[in-house]
Amino acid sequence: QKEVEQNSGPLSVPEGAIASLNCTYSDRGSQSFFWYRQYSGKSPELIMFIYSNGDKEDGRFTAQLNKASQYVSLLIRDSQPSDSATYLCAVNSAILTGGGNKLTFGTGTQLKVEL
Amino acid sequence: DTAVSQTPKYLVTQMGNDKSIKCEQNLGHDTMYWYKQDSKKFLKIMFSYNNKELIINETVPNRFSPKSPDKAHLNLHINSLELGDSAVYFCASSQDRGQGDTEAFFGQGTRLTVV
Repeated sequence: QKEVEQNSGPLSVPEGAIASLNCTYSDRGSQSFFWYRQYSGKSPELIMFIYSNGDKEDGRFTAQLNKASQYVSLLIRDSQPSDSATYLCAVNSAILTGGGNKLTFGTGTQLKVEL
Repeated sequence: DTAVSQTPKYLVTQMGNDKSIKCEQNLGHDTMYWYKQDSKKFLKIMFSYNNKELIINETVPNRFSPKSPDKAHLNLHINSLELGDSAVYFCASSQDRGQGDTEAFFGQGTRLTVV
């Protein structure tokens, strides 16, 4: 079983719709969860992180976490063509003695927002 | 500009050669990482250093040797390059705040092509 799983997509949504991206993880000890956006040929950039159960909203983005179900999602409201990218779910699977974190990434979901 | 910068951006080389990728961050972070992103966009951690000390060493061939002369620099040297080493290599850094909510900032990536 992969540590972090995402549907690779592509997920196609019309402009203005809500895009829903899902992620499951296997390590019950995971404490924090991140969504990164990666445009083609570019580096990943952080959109949001969440570490408490429930919802966290930031502008058009809402992250949802359910630790009991080992599930984290990202909702993008009013989707725009500029949101078309690959969305990477990352899980902090270890807080290491001596500092540092181990971010384990999913394979990403490609989102296409169509006009 | 404050950032994670890595050089070179592109690297094309023949099998069997030895090459290095350099990374520097001026964010004052304690932790630096090397990630490998393959053709399927899977981003996998290779190494992590915290204050110049190796923290994470994933299952990576020993042809790959990281070096951290100080906490702002983490270089990656690869010996005897193989075709399968072709990928995009990302350097990243983070500052551990002790709560697992640390985001990783990524460099622009080095696209390595072995021919």
